[in-house]
Amino acid sequence: RKEVEQDPGPFNVPEGATVAFNCTYSNSASQSFFWYRQDCRKEPKLLMSVYSSGNEDGRFTAQLNRASQYISLLIRDSKLSDSATYLCVVFRFSGNTPLVFGKGTRLSVIA
Amino acid sequence: EPEVTQTPSHQVTQMGQEVILRCVPISNHLYFYWYRQILGQKVEFLVSFYNNEISEKSEIFDDQFSVERPDGSNFTLKIRSTKLEDSAMYFCASTTKLGPNQPQHFGDGTRLSIL
Repeated sequence: RKEVEQDPGPFNVPEGATVAFNCTYSNSASQSFFWYRQDCRKEPKLLMSVYSSGNEDGRFTAQLNRASQYISLLIRDSKLSDSATYLCVVFRFSGNTPLVFGKGTRLSVIA
Repeated sequence: EPEVTQTPSHQVTQMGQEVILRCVPISNHLYFYWYRQILGQKVEFLVSFYNNEISEKSEIFDDQFSVERPDGSNFTLKIRSTKLEDSAMYFCASTTKLGPNQPQHFGDGTRLSIL
């Protein structure tokens, strides 16, 4: 089983739609969780950290369920500029791979 | 906003040659990382570096690879005797301290093409 799994998509949605991405992680020792955004052939850019209580930043809402080892990202009122690949990223102190990336979910927002 | 910078943006090298990828982390950051991303695949951790030594390294980071911080600002990744499968984007990242909720800031990467 992969340590971080995401639905690869692609998700093709119209402007203004609400879209949700899911991510599961297998290592219960994971301590921190992030969503990064990656445009084609560019570097990952931090979108938001994910806290146990859930957190919101404008149109973006992230949720963490430690019991189910599940992370989600909700994008409301999607814009053309939201088109990108969204990477679920898990951090753990121990082990020889502290930061583990999912393969990403591709989003295309269509006019 | 301070940035992690990487040079060159694109490096083309013959198989078997050595390459050095350069990174300048954000100035007050203490922890440095290299990652790679083969085209169409996920980002993979290579190595972390703190206090002038390697903190952790993945299985990918074998004897072919080395890192150093030669002058207090640059952070380099050296790949000896390059192979075709080393072709990838290589990202440098840094963070101010280690711990939960300390996101890493990535440079814009070096695309390495081995011919």
